[in-house]
Amino acid sequence: GESVGLHLPTLSVQEGDNSIINCAYSNSASDYFIWYKQESGKGPQFIIDIRSNMDKRQGQRVTVLLNKTVKHLSLQIAATQPGDSAVYFCAENSKGTSYGKLTFGQGTILTVHP
Amino acid sequence: ETGVTQTPRHLVMGMTNKKSLKCEQHLGHNAMYWYKQSAKKPLELMFVYNFKEQTENNSVPSRFSPECPNSSHLFLHLHTLQPEDSALYLCASSQELAGGFYEQYFGPGTRLTVT
Repeated sequence: GESVGLHLPTLSVQEGDNSIINCAYSNSASDYFIWYKQESGKGPQFIIDIRSNMDKRQGQRVTVLLNKTVKHLSLQIAATQPGDSAVYFCAENSKGTSYGKLTFGQGTILTVHP
Repeated sequence: ETGVTQTPRHLVMGMTNKKSLKCEQHLGHNAMYWYKQSAKKPLELMFVYNFKEQTENNSVPSRFSPECPNSSHLFLHLHTLQPEDSALYLCASSQELAGGFYEQYFGPGTRLTVT
């Protein structure tokens, strides 16, 4: 069936390094993608989104890249900080599905060492 | 704070108990959602409500009963649950963006343990 999945379940980096978290999706009709961050004991927090008519979108210290040809999504975090340690989820949606029904990946655990 | 609150934050209940989870959003959104988050599994959508009307029931067992009295409040009534229902239950809300997309904001969740 359709799914959204992550290549790496865990990622450990040193403080100050750049982090890259990857996500593969299989639904060719997906046209909206969101990255969420979930810290322990909290709900997922919206980080950044991108629509399928874009290849790249930048936020504060974060960049999302979308490669529709290979159905791949990545989240880049610049100058990673200990506060960035969390589980990161990608989620996808197809326009016209029931009120933004999202399909989530399993998540990548990012650990930032000081 | 995302503008979505959930109570209680933690709940322990026996299999014969009846309890309810509450969600409230202060964002003026029109769509609300219940998700289940279990260990080592992706978030699972349970229900979707838009303007108080249920638009999605993702094959959820009848022991979970949602209620949406208005666009700001969402409840999940629980009865005769099973231990495998223990999970983090997340509420989210969203508003339609230009282009027909929905940006969802999540509450902190209710950690449910069924004994």
